Amino acid sequence: GAGVSQSPSNKVTEKGKDVELRCDPISGHTALYWYRQRLGQGLEFLIYFQGNSAPDKSGLPSDRFSAERTGESVSTLTIQRTQQEDSAVYLCASSLYPLPSGSYEQYFGPGTRLTVT
Amino acid sequence: DAKTTQPPSMDCAEGRAANLPCNHSTISGNEYVYWYRQIHSQGPQYIIHGLKNNETNEMASLIITEDRKSSTLILPHATLRDTAVYYCIVRVDSGGSNYKLTFGKGTLLTVNP
Repeated sequence: GAGVSQSPSNKVTEKGKDVELRCDPISGHTALYWYRQRLGQGLEFLIYFQGNSAPDKSGLPSDRFSAERTGESVSTLTIQRTQQEDSAVYLCASSLYPLPSGSYEQYFGPGTRLTVT
Repeated sequence: DAKTTQPPSMDCAEGRAANLPCNHSTISGNEYVYWYRQIHSQGPQYIIHGLKNNETNEMASLIITEDRKSSTLILPHATLRDTAVYYCIVRVDSGGSNYKLTFGKGTLLTVNP
């Protein structure tokens, strides 16, 4: 079946502009995650959505970052007034709802490479 | 989550087995060993996970030592497409906020023709 898709694949924007990144999770996956990966660095957790529960926003680096999810489907990550340090690959992942005895196999999209000039 | 230690890089000849080690000497009894990989310019990809028994799937085998302080990921017949950074992580499988994946530096596996 179709995997996680993200758009755009690349985005170049000027400092101070707003950007919106989109994620389409795997159908049936109720959990959705956003991560950031700076060049040569590991994953940085941003936000987690699970069903109708309040999202875990603990990883959002500042109030310029926000994310929404429509039901159990599409999610958008918005960065307002972009700064050069926001340049990174933004990765979206989805998974089935992790059961107490289950595993957390997160399936990742290809990412959106954001460059702020 | 317990800390893991992996060699920064390894080379393997195409068609041969690639054995990637991981040390996790402080692993707790309820922590699983997970392996992900990231091919250049792609998102991370789940490979395999296990608790204490050896595991095998269509991608790889995972061998966990009896004391669980280390493990080895085995790609039985490496291909050029297996060139990637391989991440070993240990994490509790339920409860809390353990859904947050955290990768270290990983091992850059280069498969040579």
